[in-house]
Amino acid sequence: AQSVAQPEDQVNVAEGNPLTVKCTYSVSGNPYLFWYVQYPNRGLQFLLKYITGDNLVKGSYGFEAEFNKSQTSFHLKKPSALVSDSALYFCAVRDMGGSNYQLIWGAGTKLIIKP
Amino acid sequence: SAVISQKPSRDICQRGTSLTIQCQVDSQVTMMFWYRQQPGQSLTLIATANQGSEATYESGFVIDKFPISRPNLTFSTLTVSNMSPEDSSIYLCSESRDQTDTQYFGPGTRLTVL
Repeated sequence: AQSVAQPEDQVNVAEGNPLTVKCTYSVSGNPYLFWYVQYPNRGLQFLLKYITGDNLVKGSYGFEAEFNKSQTSFHLKKPSALVSDSALYFCAVRDMGGSNYQLIWGAGTKLIIKP
Repeated sequence: SAVISQKPSRDICQRGTSLTIQCQVDSQVTMMFWYRQQPGQSLTLIATANQGSEATYESGFVIDKFPISRPNLTFSTLTVSNMSPEDSSIYLCSESRDQTDTQYFGPGTRLTVL
């Protein structure tokens, strides 16, 4: 069965410092990986995805993620954090075993950026 | 990216009543999904809405409680029936075209059951 783990419930970073939000996955075939962000009282917004190709994926709002097949990880990164990056972040992997393309979700990581 | 709208954005309902949530996509899509999310928690898939056939429900969710319609490729509804306070949650609609496509989400419907 496919699964996603976000090992940190919360990550605290000082503004201007680099940030990393961790995600590991378990899949039976090629992984299709996604990152989403949810700001307070808002819907989910797509940040970036890895389907194939370059291991470093660039996305919205200056975020990027690195696909590491040997470590089965897809960590989200940003070189310099902003207070406005404070939000709930979800990693997801697409279930390729079924026919409805559903996403398997991580538990989420709350990112707090302190001024 | 697709633009998805949901109605209502929020509602407060009495126990035992039903609420129908509408989801409209601005272009034709293959799959539409309905999720439930407690504030600050992860997403739980309720069902996949298929056009022209019955919805596919996940374990723990049944059609009698959460009937779904998908009359065409741009629209779906989710009804929360015979509501109880345990149904208080955020309900999210989502869409996807294929296995490599990004899944986009509507803004959600915040439901409170008294």
